Amino acid sequence: QVQLQESGPGQVKPSETLSLTCTVFGGSVSSGFYYWSWIRQPPGKGLEWIGYIYYSGSTNYNPSLKSRVTISMDTSRNQFSLKLRSVTPADTAVYYCARTVLRRPYTMDVWGKGTTVTVSS
Amino acid sequence: DIQMTQSPSSVSASVGDRVIITCRASQGISSWLAWFQQKPGEAPKLLIYAASGLESGVPSRFSGSGSGTDFTLTITSLQPEDFATYFCQQADSFPLTFGGGTKVEIK
Repeated sequence: QVQLQESGPGQVKPSETLSLTCTVFGGSVSSGFYYWSWIRQPPGKGLEWIGYIYYSGSTNYNPSLKSRVTISMDTSRNQFSLKLRSVTPADTAVYYCARTVLRRPYTMDVWGKGTTVTVSS
Repeated sequence: DIQMTQSPSSVSASVGDRVIITCRASQGISSWLAWFQQKPGEAPKLLIYAASGLESGVPSRFSGSGSGTDFTLTITSLQPEDFATYFCQQADSFPLTFGGGTKVEIK
């Protein structure tokens, strides 16, 4: 059974870079059968898809965040990572990583438990 | 981007009630819609894919229907563990987008 686990700092200062890693257990990010996504949820609010990476290295980002986001993959560690630059308090959220189906319907069938990131000085 | 609008934003119901949640897409998405359940402090859990497909392990009291722009999630005979927030997600094109959520509360 595939499990995902997010890790990274719980607090980031404004204007700095948020960096998170998702480790995949019980499956391989190199399988080629899935995209690997990041999604976030500000406190008390809805869900926002940030972007995905495929094992080939191809990426797709939400246009609302594209100028500040980089998603990368380390197949040797079975991990993928998120970097969000120039953060502000509006980036405070629970960040989830999730496995995403490769063909329509494009949806997330396995999620990590999420990690809370607070942007504050 | 495809906008997803859910209604109602909250509903009060009793154990045993039938609850219907609706989701409307800003443009046609065929049957490419998913429904998630989220409990406080937990990650979303996939319930329904492709508008009406029941994810493995999800109780049969959950069902989905619709196509094009209008979709519904029905919970028949609400159980105590079903009190949660429900989100729809368009699964047709990127960027993937979600509805604002419907909180199912105890009456």
